[in-house]
Amino acid sequence: DGGITQSPKYLFRKEGQNVTLSCEQNLNHDAMYWYRQDPGQGLRLIYYSQIVNDFQKGDIAEGYSVSREKKESFPLTVTSAQKNPTAFYLCASGRSQPQHFGDGTRLSIL
Amino acid sequence: KNEVEQSPQNLTAQEGEFITINCSYSVGISALHWLQQHPGGGIVSLFMLSSGKKKHGRLIATINIQEKHSSLHITASHPRDSAVYICAASRLLGADGLTFGKGTHLIIQP
Repeated sequence: DGGITQSPKYLFRKEGQNVTLSCEQNLNHDAMYWYRQDPGQGLRLIYYSQIVNDFQKGDIAEGYSVSREKKESFPLTVTSAQKNPTAFYLCASGRSQPQHFGDGTRLSIL
Repeated sequence: KNEVEQSPQNLTAQEGEFITINCSYSVGISALHWLQQHPGGGIVSLFMLSSGKKKHGRLIATINIQEKHSSLHITASHPRDSAVYICAASRLLGADGLTFGKGTHLIIQP
């Protein structure tokens, strides 16, 4: 079955460490997105990519980085520069708009 | 003011009741999405609509473009409908995905 796979489901990070969240899709979608969700807030866009080897900053890109070397993969790195990384992270994909969502990764700081 | 506003924020109802969740938006849109998020965090797309009304099982979504308003209805509600329901707008301008409401936390009690 086609879909989006995010891993891991839960991730713990020590302060000062970079961590990378995986997002893979087998839906042949061109566009992929990363969102952050905090309690009581709507999903906010971190980065998006409309095509391989190209990506754009969203509303809250500071402290994050991405790559899009393959159509299927859009990993998100939470760098040590992100001062409040504890959140739920969702990946999405679509032809030109988000249509499918992953199950998310919950990141916590130790 | 958020571009996408949902109401109510929280809703508790008894099994069998007719449920209505409202969404108002202030931007020009190409489509309006209704999403469902279960406690584990994964999101499922329920509807995408740009006019009129759509129905899927016990779920009905309507949109009034002139009033910039959409509603999600659940008929004969059941405890398994308990989830967070999120309204999201595809903006007319920009290719950066969706603008999300904060969600409505629905609990259906048996």
